[in-house]
Amino acid sequence: EPEVTQTPSHQVTQMGQEVILRCVPISNHLYFYWYRQILGQKVEFLVSFYNNEISEKSEIFDDQFSVERPDGSNFTLKIRSTKLEDSAMYFCASSVSLTGELFFGEGSRLTVL
Amino acid sequence: QKEVEQNSGPLSVPEGAIASLNCTYSDRVSQSFFWYRQYSGKSPELIMSIYSNGDKEDGRFTAQLNKASQYVSLLIRDSQPSDSATYLCAVKDSGYSTLTFGKGTMLLVSP
Repeated sequence: EPEVTQTPSHQVTQMGQEVILRCVPISNHLYFYWYRQILGQKVEFLVSFYNNEISEKSEIFDDQFSVERPDGSNFTLKIRSTKLEDSAMYFCASSVSLTGELFFGEGSRLTVL
Repeated sequence: QKEVEQNSGPLSVPEGAIASLNCTYSDRVSQSFFWYRQYSGKSPELIMSIYSNGDKEDGRFTAQLNKASQYVSLLIRDSQPSDSATYLCAVKDSGYSTLTFGKGTMLLVSP
C-alpha cells in the first residue's frame, strides 16, 4: 500500500540551528501539507502546497519556515532558526484532491534544546 | 477563529459495546467533516469522511452529521481493544485545503 514517508524520524537540534525535514508524498497525489502537533496538543495546520507553490499557510508558518519541492518526489520543510517552541511532531501529508482525505506520514519528532 | 471541540475523555467502554464520540464546530461554512484515529505516538489515520447531513456507515463505524446543530459524531459498534486510541474530529471549508482538528477524544476499550 502506498504511503507517505518522512525522514528523519527524530532530530535533536540546538536553538538557532536550521533544520530540514523531508517527506516523500504518495506518488499520484497532487496536494502536499505540513502539520505539527506539540505534545498533548491539537494537530495544527502549517502549510499546503500545490502546483509548485504554497496554496495556504497558517499564522504559525512565519518567515522562519519555508517549503520546497526540489525534485519530483521530495517535499521539504525548512526551519531557518529553530526556537524552543518549535519542538513538536511534524507530520507531512498528501492528498489526491481537495476533499480533505489526507494520508499522513509517520512524523518527524523535532526536539530543540 | 474556527474551533472544533471534543471531550478529551477518556471514554471507557467494555469490549463489544458501542462507543459514541462527539464533536461540535463553530464555523457554519464548514462543508466537510472527518474522523481520524491516532494511536499514541503515531500519525493520524483517516477513518471516515462525511459531507451531507445524516448517517454514513462503513463496517463497524457510523458517522453522523447535523449541520443545523453543528454537530458530528462517530459511533463504533462492537468495540475492540484495538480501537483504543485518540479519535480526532476535523473540519474543512469548501474550496480550501486546510483541516482544522479538534484536540481528540481518547477511547479506552477494556477486554
